[in-house]
Amino acid sequence: NAGVTQTPKFQVLKTGQSMTLQCAQDMNHNSMYWYRQDPGMGLRLIYYSASEGTTDKGEVPNGYNVSRLNKREFSLRLESAAPSQTSVYFCASSEAHTSRLKTQYFGPGTRLLVL
Amino acid sequence: QQQVKQSPQSLIVQKGGISIINCAYENTAFDYFPWYQQFPGKGPALLIAIRPDVSEKKEGRFTISFNKSAKQFSLHIMDSQPGDSATYFCAAIFNQAGTALIFGKGTTLSVSS
Repeated sequence: NAGVTQTPKFQVLKTGQSMTLQCAQDMNHNSMYWYRQDPGMGLRLIYYSASEGTTDKGEVPNGYNVSRLNKREFSLRLESAAPSQTSVYFCASSEAHTSRLKTQYFGPGTRLLVL
Repeated sequence: QQQVKQSPQSLIVQKGGISIINCAYENTAFDYFPWYQQFPGKGPALLIAIRPDVSEKKEGRFTISFNKSAKQFSLHIMDSQPGDSATYFCAAIFNQAGTALIFGKGTTLSVSS
């Protein structure tokens, strides 16, 4: 089991460029999440997908879009990157909706630098 | 609105000492409280978790103490080791469909040898 995988590991963009961060999980989990992590800010939820076919905004959704492609894959798109989006992005997944099964498993992260 | 407050922001402990990280929450609808450990360059990983009907949970050197009336919970790391140096996040979850984890802002622990 690879768990949660993310691509790319590192990316440099120029302001205004677009890109898609890919995430896949092989644990047959229903729910998937995208977070950003910035120094001193902890983990902030961008978007999540409680189940296949649904997506919802989190705490900081502006400037991002997501697609739950199938049960395994959940992508995050930056349409027009801004320097404020320089961050480390983590994808996570969880089994189901009940509290104990909401425990999340994280990928290794994507480090994004926007110049 | 920060629903889970974590302290301290950073902590330095000598090898063999006890590390204590505290969290406080506001919403009594939370019903599951996990702790995550994150090493530099890695994603967070579940360390230990507790439900509010339990006052303490221990796994090896790691213990969660839970005070429901005070709406506080804490992580204790006994006999702290240099390999425990990492960032620790407390979190809380509602028992409600479609909601996600709410994290504290993290504590960076350094264990000196």
